[in-house]
Amino acid sequence: EAQVTQNPRYLITVTGKKLTVTCSQNMNHEYMSWYRQDPGLGLRQIYYSMNVEVTDKGDVPEGYKVSRKEKRNFPLILESPSPNQTSLYFCASSPLTGPQSAKNIQYFGAGTRLSVL
Amino acid sequence: AQSVTQLGSHVSVSEGALVLLRCNYSSSVPPYLFWYVQYPNQGLQLLLKYTTGATLVKGINGFEAEFKKSETSFHLTKPSAHMSDAAEYFCAVTTTGTASKLTFGTGTRLQVTL
Repeated sequence: EAQVTQNPRYLITVTGKKLTVTCSQNMNHEYMSWYRQDPGLGLRQIYYSMNVEVTDKGDVPEGYKVSRKEKRNFPLILESPSPNQTSLYFCASSPLTGPQSAKNIQYFGAGTRLSVL
Repeated sequence: AQSVTQLGSHVSVSEGALVLLRCNYSSSVPPYLFWYVQYPNQGLQLLLKYTTGATLVKGINGFEAEFKKSETSFHLTKPSAHMSDAAEYFCAVTTTGTASKLTFGTGTRLQVTL
């Protein structure tokens, strides 16, 4: 089944304790992206990647890191989490080449709810 | 730069009534417009999209939207609401010609009452 898988789904941590949220897609998509969703603010893009080893900042990158060493994986790293990073995080992927790219669809994971105390 | 504005963070309709969720966009080039739906505790899924061609687009679950360039709008409608339509709806825009670099609106939560 084609899907975007995020882990963990729920995470409670403390300020300053490094954490990684994993994202994996099995659709061979070039494009992957991380968003955070906050009440009244909608989804805001944190980082995105157009392909392996190609990443760029989105609208709210401060306090986050990403890497894209393999096409299927795009982990989100919080090196020193702070309470203002408490949010719902979504990973998404999309094809940029091939017949599926013409559908112009981003596929989303189920989300990771993070609480930083 | 591109942006979308969703008017009304909460909309409540009775079951069987018309659903109208408003979205206005801002873009300096022809936009690609999307509506996504988020059911409780789930990720977003695509409802419908406008890229080129016919300005009235139909999506899943009986929803449709019309691209009106003169009004810079892409409102989402459904003739008759169902309880299962209760969810949060997001309008999104991109100008890249692909699904990358989406800019989302702030969302509209739809409540459906008996």
